[in-house]
Amino acid sequence: KQEVTQIPAALSVPEGENLVLNCSFTDSAIYNLQWFRQDPGKGLTSLLLIQSSQREQTSGRLNASLDKSSGRSTLYIAASQPGDSATYLCAVRQDGTASKLTFGTGTRLQVTL
Amino acid sequence: NAGVTQTPKFQVLKTGQSMTLQCAQDMNHEYMSWYRQDPGMGLRLIHYSVGAGITDQGEVPNGYNVSRSTTEDFPLRLLSAAPSQTSVYFCASRRLRAGGRSDTQYFGPGTRLTVL
Repeated sequence: KQEVTQIPAALSVPEGENLVLNCSFTDSAIYNLQWFRQDPGKGLTSLLLIQSSQREQTSGRLNASLDKSSGRSTLYIAASQPGDSATYLCAVRQDGTASKLTFGTGTRLQVTL
Repeated sequence: NAGVTQTPKFQVLKTGQSMTLQCAQDMNHEYMSWYRQDPGMGLRLIHYSVGAGITDQGEVPNGYNVSRSTTEDFPLRLLSAAPSQTSVYFCASRRLRAGGRSDTQYFGPGTRLTVL
């Protein structure tokens, strides 16, 4: 059974700092991995999706990497801003057209002024 | 293009009551699913559907029913609400067979349900 772990559970950084969020998964036979952002009381917004054949994806100040063989992904946020404060979730999808997402419990990020 | 919409946003039920959470998407996605989110447990899959007329169970299906009569709609029914069903419920959709960024899964804003 796939298990997804995110460390740390919470993180507080000053504005402008670069930071890395970690995601690990137990079964490396994944189809893709997706990073989401969740603001308090809101739904999930997709940030980046990495296919199993890819090593990284970038969008603006965000860069996500994937090392499938070691079961790890990182989300790098450059020059953090207070607006980046949210919970970040990673989710992996196994192979198969009807396969579900398995989620980690998230990292709650606070960027302070 | 509204994406994935859910109603209601909030609901309070008494134990034993039934209700339906509505979910609709306008992206012509074949795959739709329902998750519940509980503190410290991550999101867990309740039911999913790969197309109109086809549904299947996820990890935590007990106490819930679904149907898929159209591509757009995927309602979740609570048959007899229990306090253990207090949670935030999210509906999601994606293409069934795609590739690249078309594999992205989109989520609705959620329904916060309290069962007393």
